[in-house]
Order: sequence, then C-alpha cells, then structure tokens
Amino acid sequence: DQQVKQNSPSLSVQEGRISILNCDYTNSMFDYFLWYKKYPAEGPTFLISISSIKDKNEDGRFTVFLNKSAKHLSLHIVPSQPGDSAVYFCAASAGYNQGGKLIFGQGTELSVKP
Amino acid sequence: DAGVIQSPRHEVTEMGQEVTLRCKPISGHNSLFWYRQTMMRGLELLIYFNNNVPIDDSGMPEDRFSAKMPNASFSTLKIQPSEPRDSAVYFCASSWVADTQYFGPGTRLTVL
Repeated sequence: DQQVKQNSPSLSVQEGRISILNCDYTNSMFDYFLWYKKYPAEGPTFLISISSIKDKNEDGRFTVFLNKSAKHLSLHIVPSQPGDSAVYFCAASAGYNQGGKLIFGQGTELSVKP
Repeated sequence: DAGVIQSPRHEVTEMGQEVTLRCKPISGHNSLFWYRQTMMRGLELLIYFNNNVPIDDSGMPEDRFSAKMPNASFSTLKIQPSEPRDSAVYFCASSWVADTQYFGPGTRLTVL
C-alpha cells in the first residue's frame, strides 16, 4: 500500500526552464509534507516543506504547492540549474502524533541539461 | 556540527554472516530513524526511536533484523543472518521531536 506516490521516475529539463515534480498521497491524516533532495552516495537533504494549513510555500527558486482536495503536491524549481540534477523525494507526515514518522515516495530523478 | 555519522560507509559480506550498522545522531536530537533504500521499494522506514525507546518497528522486514539505542548518542541496526536480498543502502536520520529529519551518508550493504 503506497501512501505516497511519485509516478514519474525521471524528468529531463533544459537549464533555465521550470522543473515540476509531482507527488500524490492517499492518507488524509497527513498534515505536513516535505521535499528532500539526494545526490549519489549521499544521504537525502531537506529542501522545503509545507503544512496542510497552507497551499503554497516559497524559498528562493523552490516553491511547493499543496492541493488538499486532490491530495496532490508539486515542487517547482525556477529557473532550473545543472546543480539541481538529483533524485527528489516527496515525504508526508501525520505530525507530532506520529512522532515525526515520514512516509516517502519512490523518488524522481531530475536531470537539468545545460 | 558533524551531522549524522554512520559507519561503515560500505560493507561487503557473505550470506549467513552477521552485519552491524552504526549511527551517531546529531547531538541534542531525541528521535532516530533507520531507513532502507532499494530500487524496488524506494526509501522505507524500518524503525524509529524517541528518547532511546523504540516507538514503531513495523517496517522491520523480519526477525533477522534488530535495532538498539543504548543511549542518546548511539544506535545499531543488526542483521543476523544476512541474505543477498538485504543488499541495499541503509540510512540513519535524526530529528528534534517531529521536526525536520537530517540524514547520514548511508551504509551501502552488499551481501554475496
């Protein structure tokens, strides 16, 4: 039972264009969502998060959008840079009641071409 | 701050051998998580501790896997006996309560 799904295993984008990574979830108890970025041979690193009381959170080139009715979130990277090439994981949490337990998606490998 | 430290970074062993993975969380964090990453299943939570107490071990695949956290600065994940299907990258992460989790660099385990 995959509670968090990233249906695109890979995405290729031209440098300077927008990258859009998508994530769907099934558990309506999730109230906190995160994106992590992972380079080869390294652990995932936190990128950006959003609480379920918001529908948008922005941090520099990165914006996360949350559509609770559709149980869908997306990560926008504008403009995309070659250094953004990595695997991006979407994660969801039911918050403090679950001790911060995160459920991760399968990941999307982003390739930004010069 | 040194971040989450894991050892060894790489482990190659033969089927049937015992494997012990180690983790030192970030000082001051009170939650610790063990994850496994495989191509088939992605990044899955195995077990997590809060204040050194195991809270949820529902992700531990079977009795061959065990985890301990004897104190706030050290945790181990043991596989005994190991099998080829245990080959994966194992990550440890720590956080303060339910805040952002910080991951270690991982241990790449190969069981021949």
